[in-house]
Amino acid sequence: AQSVTQLGSHVSVSEGALVLLRCNYSSSVPPYLFWYVQYPNQGLQLLLKYTSAATLVKGINGFEAEFKKSETSFHLTKPSAHMSDAAEYFCAVSLRDDKIIFGKGTRLHILP
Amino acid sequence: SQTIHQWPATLVQPVGSPLSLECTVEGTSNPNLYWYRQAAGRGLQLLFYSVGIGQISSEVPQNLSASRPQDRQFILSSKKLLLSDSGFYLCAWSIRQGRPFYGYTFGSGTRLTVV
Repeated sequence: AQSVTQLGSHVSVSEGALVLLRCNYSSSVPPYLFWYVQYPNQGLQLLLKYTSAATLVKGINGFEAEFKKSETSFHLTKPSAHMSDAAEYFCAVSLRDDKIIFGKGTRLHILP
Repeated sequence: SQTIHQWPATLVQPVGSPLSLECTVEGTSNPNLYWYRQAAGRGLQLLFYSVGIGQISSEVPQNLSASRPQDRQFILSSKKLLLSDSGFYLCAWSIRQGRPFYGYTFGSGTRLTVV
């Protein structure tokens, strides 16, 4: 069965610093992988997705993620954090059955 | 373009009262539809999903039920709310059997507080 592990329920970075949110997955077949962002009292918004094309995926708001099969990872990065990036981020995995399994989320705090 | 509407945005209900949350999708047909609950510190929990009118799959036994009376309408209900039903409820849709799979599109959510 597939699963998703997000390392760190809270991550703090300084404004302008690198953002790195970690995600590892478990899947018996090549998965689809996603990162979603949630701002307070809002629904989830898709940041980016990996669907077996290029392993480096670029998303909205300057975020990107790299699929590494050997490490079963799909970490989310952004070169320079902005105050508006403060939110909760969810990594998710799906096999070919159209069901998505979400990680428990990482809350990103941006320090001025 | 496709849009998903979810209402109400916030709701305060007494224990024992009924519940009805509605979700509608526009601009697509035959979507897969999903209800999630997000409780504090517990992440996203899939409650129900539907692949067609009248077809409901329950993921977690609980005090809630779901119905899909029309292709693009998904309703979450309860006959008697419990305190533990409080949370943030999210509706989502996806293209049925589309390849590649593009994931879910979420509604804006309903904050339910049972008092």
